[in-house]
Amino acid sequence: EAAVTQSPRSKVAVTGGKVTLSCHQTNNHDYMYWYRQDTGHGLRLIHYSYVADSTEKGDIPDGYKASRPSQENFSLILELASLSQTAVYFCASSDRGGKDTQYFGPGTRLLVL
Amino acid sequence: SQLAEENSWALSVHEGESVTVNCSYKTSITALQWYRQKSGKGPAQLILIRSNEREKRNGRLRATLDTSSQSSSLSITATRCEDTAVYFCALNTGNYKYVFGAGTRLKVIA
Repeated sequence: EAAVTQSPRSKVAVTGGKVTLSCHQTNNHDYMYWYRQDTGHGLRLIHYSYVADSTEKGDIPDGYKASRPSQENFSLILELASLSQTAVYFCASSDRGGKDTQYFGPGTRLLVL
Repeated sequence: SQLAEENSWALSVHEGESVTVNCSYKTSITALQWYRQKSGKGPAQLILIRSNEREKRNGRLRATLDTSSQSSSLSITATRCEDTAVYFCALNTGNYKYVFGAGTRLKVIA
């Protein structure tokens, strides 16, 4: 079965600190995505990637960087964490970009204090 | 304004009843997907219905798509407590990304 894992599952960070969220997929999918979900809201796309060593901006990229060192791994980096970045972050993968099912990880709950 | 929008913020039904969640959208699509997200979990796809399809079923689930009115529905029959979740519609617009609605919170009461 398709599998996407995320680490850490939860994190408390200080304002101005650096945070790295990691995602690993064993689906052999080309596309990987990072979303944030705020309480009571849907998913908003931060960054995505369709090939290793390349990332693209999504709808809300400000304050976030992404890294795709291999097909399996995709990281989201908050260089200077801010209170407004408190949210749940989901990673997902899909085979053919916007044409197929997305498989989501379990999410990372980030609290910035 | 939202490109994809479920028409109810929250619904509650009693176990065994049927329920329908509706989604309206404002762009051309190649497909529409319904996802379910249980508390503390990531979303999981329930049904993918392509723009040239009108109906798709998956067990107790039935999705419809009307591209002329730009709307879709997800019906669940014989609901169970474990159907309690947030239900999202997500649009495939022909490019790399998916556009999610804000979700409908369904509670199934025993």
